[in-house]
Amino acid sequence: GEDVEQSLFLSVREGDSSVINCTYTDSSSTYLYWYKQEPGAGLQLLTYIFSNMDMKQDQRLTVLLNKKDKHLSLRIADTQTGDSAIYFCAEIPGAGSYQLTFGKGTKLSVIP
Amino acid sequence: EAGVTQFPSHSVIEKGQTVTLRCDPISGHDNLYWYRRVMGKEIKFLLHFVKESKQDESGMPNNRFLAERTGGTYSTLKVQPAELEDSGVYFCASSPNNNAQYFGPGTRLLVL
Repeated sequence: GEDVEQSLFLSVREGDSSVINCTYTDSSSTYLYWYKQEPGAGLQLLTYIFSNMDMKQDQRLTVLLNKKDKHLSLRIADTQTGDSAIYFCAEIPGAGSYQLTFGKGTKLSVIP
Repeated sequence: EAGVTQFPSHSVIEKGQTVTLRCDPISGHDNLYWYRRVMGKEIKFLLHFVKESKQDESGMPNNRFLAERTGGTYSTLKVQPAELEDSGVYFCASSPNNNAQYFGPGTRLLVL
């Protein structure tokens, strides 16, 4: 199967950490991605991780991958109001496919 | 460097009419993808071009949809005749390889 599941909403206070979770079903996934969509805008590639890695850090963003449990998370440190957006988890399955399979997106609301 | 651009940003048409969406990928990107998100659903893959060739069109919903990429530069996606269920946001993405796909802002299509 190619399902990617995310919770739909998350609210955090400004300055706190946000953790957005994602589960996927395809054990042959090669790359996993996080995209951000601000209101009225397109999808911005935030970061991605290869399936043989378990962690990737980029400034305030930390991606954790638990391949055994097929669980991906995105942690945003010191969350700011500008981080309010919809965050999409996506995967590329293996076997020569280049189709991104997306979750429905998690709407992050940052409370000042 | 300019990102992926899409035209028009919005289109409102009546059922039965024809609409053509255009995507200009990032210069030098051989890979071009079309995706769409219909209301309340996940973003779904439509097709993938490598240069001017269709690499994978398994996501195209039916023969009312026609995608072209003559010359391997910009691409068009034509819907003829449009139906109500075609309403949604159509995204284009491009990549230099098959690891990271960069998305445009999308075209919001409303079929009345």
